[in-house]
Amino acid sequence: GAVVSQHPSRVICKSGTSVKIECRSLDFQATTMFWYRQFPKQSLMLMATSNEGSKATYEQGVEKDKFLINHASLTLSTLTVTSAHPEDSSFYICSARAGGASGGNEQFFGPGTRLTVL
Amino acid sequence: GENVEQHPSTLSVQEGDSAVIKCTYSDSASNYFPWYKQELGKRPQLIIDIRSNVGEKKDQRIAVTLNKTAKHFSLHITETQPEDSAVYFCAANPYSTGFQKLVFGTGTRLLVSP
Repeated sequence: GAVVSQHPSRVICKSGTSVKIECRSLDFQATTMFWYRQFPKQSLMLMATSNEGSKATYEQGVEKDKFLINHASLTLSTLTVTSAHPEDSSFYICSARAGGASGGNEQFFGPGTRLTVL
Repeated sequence: GENVEQHPSTLSVQEGDSAVIKCTYSDSASNYFPWYKQELGKRPQLIIDIRSNVGEKKDQRIAVTLNKTAKHFSLHITETQPEDSAVYFCAANPYSTGFQKLVFGTGTRLLVSP
């Protein structure tokens, strides 16, 4: 099956610093990647949709200047949390969707990144 | 926009019993309905999905049924085992997003007791 990796798996940072999270599709090309945030005991909340070579589309209420997304290639998308604050502490998960005419609706998830901001 | 409701929020069963989780969606144009299983601290894993052109799909102990008229779909797990314990999420893909995105239900915490 399709494999998506995410790095780092855990990160602890000080308030005010920036953190970059990488999401890679290892065995397929992902024209579209998605970034989700999941708070404890809650569902996955979509933050933004990332399309290769174009600007990300952010969901309502998500600050695009705070959560910078770059999708520079068909296998890599990055999420940078800028000026992180304790309320940004969460589980960040990416997913990837295969592209082209053969690409279906399936989203394959990365293992997630646990961000803790002190 | 699409709204996906999921019930129950928690479900406790004895090993060997069946478990049923139900979801309703609001966008009648949605055409893809996946179910994900998420263990604590892990990634959501696709366990089964169904498209709008079929009413039922089965994979060993897991089945999903879809009622397009009523706009609801259900996950059925038979002969439950302790390793089935996890949080299960349903999802639907709304037409308003060009069918690209998934809107998730609130999740069901399934506990299977030995």
